[in-house]
Amino acid sequence: GENVEQHPSTLSVQEGDSAVIKCTYSDSASNYFPWYKQELGKRPQLIIDIRSNVGEKKDQRIAVTLNKTAKHFSLHITETQPEDSAVYFCAASAASGTYKYIFGTGTRLKVLA
Amino acid sequence: DADVTQTPRNRITKTGKRIMLECSQTKGHDRMYWYRQDPGLGLQLIYYSFDVKDINKGEISDGYSVSRQAQAKFSLSLESAIPNQTALYFCATSDPTSGGETQYFGPGTRLLVL
Repeated sequence: GENVEQHPSTLSVQEGDSAVIKCTYSDSASNYFPWYKQELGKRPQLIIDIRSNVGEKKDQRIAVTLNKTAKHFSLHITETQPEDSAVYFCAASAASGTYKYIFGTGTRLKVLA
Repeated sequence: DADVTQTPRNRITKTGKRIMLECSQTKGHDRMYWYRQDPGLGLQLIYYSFDVKDINKGEISDGYSVSRQAQAKFSLSLESAIPNQTALYFCATSDPTSGGETQYFGPGTRLLVL
């Protein structure tokens, strides 16, 4: 079945450094790849997403890259700040037009001041 | 996002009991989802519904059932709760007709089955 693998499960970086989280998906028909941030005790919220017809998307300090051939996508956070500390989930659409999503297992990011 | 609400926020129940978790939304979205979150396992899809007459099983539907009472309400039931259903449950909505696939999550229901 469809699967999304996410690495690493935990990541600690110094404030100001960059953080990279990687995901691999199994279904070549997936065409939508969102990233969600979940702060402690809060609900997941979308921070950035990318569609399969785009290779990279940026929004201020965050960016997502997609390699369709290799079926992997990555979240890049630059100039990390303490408020970036959270759990980050990647997801992939199960197949085009299904509006069903498979989530990765999450990465707990700690930004050390 | 206050537009998606869940009740109760916390619930303790005993093995074998039937319980219902409720989700309401004022966003006017047709699509609604129930997810389960366990530490280290991410978010797993239980059921989803694209309109009142449409119900679909997700990855882990065994032991669960749902009811879409109206566009705004989507309930999740555990027919006979068991301890390994202890988890954090999230409801979510989305509205692809507006061009986006963003999922808007409710605040979550923390369930403990003894």
